[in-house]
Amino acid sequence: QKEVEQDPGPLSVPEGAIVSLNCTYSNSAFQYFMWYRQYSRKGPELLMYTYSSGNKEDGRFTAQVDKSSKYISLFIRDSQPSDSATYLCAMMGNAGGTSYGKLTFGQGTILTVHP
Amino acid sequence: ETGVTQTPRHLVMGMTNKKSLKCEQHLGHNAMYWYKQSAKKPLELMFVYNFKEQTENNSVPSRFSPECPNSSHLFLHLHTLQPEDSALYLCASSQGQGDTEAFFGQGTRLTVV
Repeated sequence: QKEVEQDPGPLSVPEGAIVSLNCTYSNSAFQYFMWYRQYSRKGPELLMYTYSSGNKEDGRFTAQVDKSSKYISLFIRDSQPSDSATYLCAMMGNAGGTSYGKLTFGQGTILTVHP
Repeated sequence: ETGVTQTPRHLVMGMTNKKSLKCEQHLGHNAMYWYKQSAKKPLELMFVYNFKEQTENNSVPSRFSPECPNSSHLFLHLHTLQPEDSALYLCASSQGQGDTEAFFGQGTRLTVV
């Protein structure tokens, strides 16, 4: 079993739609939860990060973490064609643990927002 | 230049060749990483350096040999690679090894023929 599972898609939505991207994980030591965005022919860039459980909002983006279910989500409201990219979830444990200091990534979900 | 720069952007090499990938960061970070990105697979961490010392080798075959002469530069020396090693190799850096934000270069697209 992979430590982090993410549906690779592809996901295609019309402009203005609400997009929901998800990851599940098996390692209960993960405490830091990140979403990276990767445009074609570019390296990933950090979009949002959350520590432990809860929600975090940044503009059109909302990250949610449910540690009891080992499930994280990224919501994109009013999606735009410029949001078309691959979205990667990533996770890391606390200091002192074996998963500290190294990001474990999901496979990435390819998203296309068409006008 | 700013950020993380990787060279070359594309590389085609035969299985008997020796080549090196270069990464340079201008962010003043102390930790640097090599990742491998293959189609339909998650990003795989290969090596981690923190303050020039290797702190992680994720069971990478010896045909991949990293080198970190200082905190700003990272190399990946390649020799006798296999076709299945063809992938996008990404370098990243972060302020410290435990940081949640890693800054990635654009990667080197490697094809082994």
